[in-house]
Amino acid sequence: QKEVEQNSGPLSVPEGAIASLNCTYSDRVSQSFFWYRQYSGKSPELIMSIYSNGDKEDGRFTAQLNKASQYVSLLIRDSQPSDSATYLCAVTGGGSNYKLTFGKGTLLTVNP
Amino acid sequence: DAGVIQSPRHEVTEMGQEVTLRCKPISGHDYLFWYRQTMMRGLELLIYFNNNVPIDDSGMPEDRFSAKMPNASFSTLKIQPSEPRDSAVYFCASSLRVTRNTIYFGEGSWLTVV
Repeated sequence: QKEVEQNSGPLSVPEGAIASLNCTYSDRVSQSFFWYRQYSGKSPELIMSIYSNGDKEDGRFTAQLNKASQYVSLLIRDSQPSDSATYLCAVTGGGSNYKLTFGKGTLLTVNP
Repeated sequence: DAGVIQSPRHEVTEMGQEVTLRCKPISGHDYLFWYRQTMMRGLELLIYFNNNVPIDDSGMPEDRFSAKMPNASFSTLKIQPSEPRDSAVYFCASSLRVTRNTIYFGEGSWLTVV
């Protein structure tokens, strides 16, 4: 069973701080990695994708991938109360496996 | 462009009744996914289609669940008979070239079986 693990949280940070969200995955041949944000009562929306080792930055968000350690992270700089949501890590398999497997998510609360 | 459209948004039904959830993917998308989300199990892939053909239904929990995609613009997920443990949010999503492109989710169908 291929798994994606995340700390369920809640992770609480003050406004303006850096929020760090972590994810590990079990399938060594996974190729594509995603972070989704889900507000309460809403559907998931993609905020970052990353496919190769290293860092990828987009505005206040930075995704980090380490395939050797099977580890993906998301950093949110200058956290805002509007960032309060559940963050879902998602991973596709290798080869022709197109399944997108989600972690259970980490609840982030940014306190004003 | 309209997003993924799901109906109904909310449904409350009695145990044993048939439930049909509907989805219209984004025009031109060739992959369609059905997910179920619960607090206990998170977001689980039930089945996905490519060009209207079911590719992987290993996530369908049991024979009470069935999904069809008769054409590129419509899919259904049916539960017959429904049970209280089927209560969940069911999301439909679609994408192009699934390995590298964004998966767009519908707003979900909130199902409660009493």
